[in-house]
Amino acid sequence: KAGVTQTPRYLIKTRGQQVTLSCSPISGHRSVSWYQQTPGQGLQFLFEYFSETQRNKGNFPGRFSGRQFSNSRSEMNVSTLELGDSALYLCASSSTAGFPNTEAFFGQGTRLTVV
Amino acid sequence: AQKITQTQPGMFVQEKEAVTLDCTYDTSDQSYGLFWYKQPSSGEMIFLIYQGSYDEQNATEGRYSLNFQKARKSANLVISASQLGDSAMYFCAMRANAGGTSYGKLTFGQGTILTVHP
Repeated sequence: KAGVTQTPRYLIKTRGQQVTLSCSPISGHRSVSWYQQTPGQGLQFLFEYFSETQRNKGNFPGRFSGRQFSNSRSEMNVSTLELGDSALYLCASSSTAGFPNTEAFFGQGTRLTVV
Repeated sequence: AQKITQTQPGMFVQEKEAVTLDCTYDTSDQSYGLFWYKQPSSGEMIFLIYQGSYDEQNATEGRYSLNFQKARKSANLVISASQLGDSAMYFCAMRANAGGTSYGKLTFGQGTILTVHP
């Protein structure tokens, strides 16, 4: 069974550009959540999608957006990139809508560098 | 709101010895799940072990066990017979229902860097 796949693994973008990151969950998993990891702030929740609907959103500006497709694959987009957006972006896949007693498996992450 | 506290920024252990990584949590929910993840320098987040709030037995997965003390709101990770490959960052995380509003959100602690010495 394939794990969670995130693409690309590494990205270098210029300030002001936009970027799209992709996450393919484990087959059969319908919940995808995204996290930003930085040395200063640690792991912060961005948003969670289930069956193409955003069910929860963290405290991030509107420049951060996402969506989920009918095959459960998810994308997140960051517009007008800032230097502070440099981070490791991780996505997690779960089999249900996020009931507490479900495991969450992560992809390898996308390391975004904004210059 | 949920909160996870990991008070040990760094821990050192000798190879083949056991080590305990501390985690305390705070939530008003009765139903929640507790997780431990390992993050090597490559960045991927590796799932280690899970404990549900209604589970009466402590979870175990190979060399990993979770010492769950509900009344104290602690969920410490015990790694037995440490190996050099165990050197990594370890995160404790929680998922709670929060009245149906938190859904899939995981709340993480700040992490503990574990170094295993030969």
